[in-house]
Amino acid sequence: DADVTQTPRNRITKTGKRIMLECSQTKGHDRMYWYRQDPGLGLRLIYYSFDVKDINKGEISDGYSVSRQAQAKFSLSLESAIPNQTALYFCATSDPRQGAYNEQFFGPGTRLTVL
Amino acid sequence: AQSVTQPDIHITVSEGASLELRCNYSYGATPYLFWYVQSPGQGLQLLLKYFSGDTLVQGIKGFEAEFKRSQSSFNLRKPSVHWSDAAEYFCAVGSRGYQKVTFGIGTKLQVIP
Repeated sequence: DADVTQTPRNRITKTGKRIMLECSQTKGHDRMYWYRQDPGLGLRLIYYSFDVKDINKGEISDGYSVSRQAQAKFSLSLESAIPNQTALYFCATSDPRQGAYNEQFFGPGTRLTVL
Repeated sequence: AQSVTQPDIHITVSEGASLELRCNYSYGATPYLFWYVQSPGQGLQLLLKYFSGDTLVQGIKGFEAEFKRSQSSFNLRKPSVHWSDAAEYFCAVGSRGYQKVTFGIGTKLQVIP
């Protein structure tokens, strides 16, 4: 079974709709991240959470919000989706206590299309 | 601020040929450096990482990378490429203790027969 799962894997929605992308992990890691991937731009950090009570904006947080419901769950919301939020979204986890500083473990991604 | 440059967006090599993917980083102290691979339709998988010690790092799938502080580089190499190596490769730099990682824009590798 995958350690980091994302739902849904694919989603097509319309402009103005509210969308939630979910991420769950069984790795027991405290730290979780949301990235978006766009061709030619690589991965850009949207939000990150170092524990349930610690949530931080990344470099491109405008238009997004997150919720850390538990250590294992980290959700990304688009309150009012717009077409330029069409992208591949990745969730990742990390835990320095494992001795692999900053190594991140990625989910399979959610492909979101906003029409 | 830390940054990563991958100067080659797209590389094509013949199967069996050697491969080198370039990565240059900018970071004030000794960085943590990573190479990830993304196969089509998949998430990112760690190939190898450098934290300290031996500057030549061995990874999975026959890949290696060499950290050169004087050149601020961490190039990825493989002596003989297989068709299954066709993927996108991301170099990344992380900061000690802070857990934020900055990714390059990626290099897409095409392998031809």
